[in-house]
Amino acid sequence: DAMVIQNPRYQVTQFGKPVTLSCSQTLNHNVMYWYQQKSSQAPKLLFHYYDKDFNNEADTPDNFQSRRPNTSFCFLDIRSPGLGDAAMYLCATSREVLAGGRGDTQYFGPGTRLTVL
Amino acid sequence: SQQGEEDPQALSIQEGENATMNCSYKTSINNLQWYRQNSGRGLVHLILIRSNEREKHSGRLRVTLDTSKKSSSLLITASRAADTASYFCATLGTGFQKLVFGTGTRLLVSP
Repeated sequence: DAMVIQNPRYQVTQFGKPVTLSCSQTLNHNVMYWYQQKSSQAPKLLFHYYDKDFNNEADTPDNFQSRRPNTSFCFLDIRSPGLGDAAMYLCATSREVLAGGRGDTQYFGPGTRLTVL
Repeated sequence: SQQGEEDPQALSIQEGENATMNCSYKTSINNLQWYRQNSGRGLVHLILIRSNEREKHSGRLRVTLDTSKKSSSLLITASRAADTASYFCATLGTGFQKLVFGTGTRLLVSP
């Protein structure tokens, strides 16, 4: 089945120790998104890629970086995790850029829950 | 902030009852979507309604949209224990290429 896969599902890191979260998709979608979701809150968009074009949200801290080496994979790098970065990180895809049409659906992976000690 | 708000924050009902969740938003939109999130999991798309539509149905789901009031509602009829989840509305604003999610409603359906 076509899907969005995130690894690992649970990640524990130490304060200040770099960590990388992985997302892959078999949907062949052009757009990939990374969201941060803290407990009982709405998912918050960090950035997205349209193909290789990177789009950062204005309020995303510099501590968060992303790489998309090919269509299938996208990585979230947290350079120096702080306690406030503990959250669920959700990867999502969409076939094309959201443009107000009927196809504006995002497909989410199961998420990676990050714990910072 | 463009973020929408949902009410109630939490809703507890019995199986077989209907559940209604409301979403309010702040800016003009292209479309509004509803997503479901089971505990500790990713979001699953349920239904999309465009700004020129007033009502849509999908199985036991009914969504309404009132752009004059900047609000939407999601009705789940004949709820089941398996409907227990958090439900989020998300809006695609005009001129934006991203979804903005509301704060969510936690629904608990008891057998």
